[in-house]
Amino acid sequence: SQTIHQWPATLVQPVGSPLSLECTVEGTSNPNLYWYRQAAGRGLQLLFYSVGIGQISSEVPQNLSASRPQDRQFILSSKKLLLSDSGFYLCAWSPGSYNQPQHFGDGTRLSIL
Amino acid sequence: TQLLEQSPQFLSIQEGENLTVYCNSSSVFSSLQWYRQEPGEGPVLLVTVVTGGEVKKLKRLTFQFGDARKDSSLHITAAQPGDTGLYLCAGRRGAQKLVFGQGTRLTINP
Repeated sequence: SQTIHQWPATLVQPVGSPLSLECTVEGTSNPNLYWYRQAAGRGLQLLFYSVGIGQISSEVPQNLSASRPQDRQFILSSKKLLLSDSGFYLCAWSPGSYNQPQHFGDGTRLSIL
Repeated sequence: TQLLEQSPQFLSIQEGENLTVYCNSSSVFSSLQWYRQEPGEGPVLLVTVVTGGEVKKLKRLTFQFGDARKDSSLHITAAQPGDTGLYLCAGRRGAQKLVFGQGTRLTINP
């Protein structure tokens, strides 16, 4: 069966520090991968998605970037964090074929001080 | 502008009552998904509806996709405290992307 792992589960970082959140998927190949941010108790905002290695689509201009160095690895990064980057970050995957549901990791709670 | 509007945003009812949550849009979606999310965890897929007018049941939960594929509803019969959570609807636009509603925070009181 397929599984998705995100880490760390929680992270506290000072303003201006770099960021690297990692997401890996097991048990499937060529997945579509996604990064979302969720405001407290609210809906999800799509940040990035990827349909293959090295292919990244950005949905909103922001202080973050994403990379996909391997087929089942998706990384969310920032060079200098802002206070507004605080939030709950979720990684998701879906099969590469059309109209497939997305499956989510357990998220990373990021707090910027 | 919220592409998918969920209502109500908050709902608190007693155990055993019935409830309906709505997900509405002016846009047509190729499919729509419902998720439930617990605090500090990722959303968990409950159901995907694809065909206009489709009805799916998952134990005490009944999901319906509107005939025009612009809206959906989730009905829970005899709600239990274990149903408490954030319910999210998400509509598919394009081949890869989902658009999420803002969620309905449901609390079932014992």
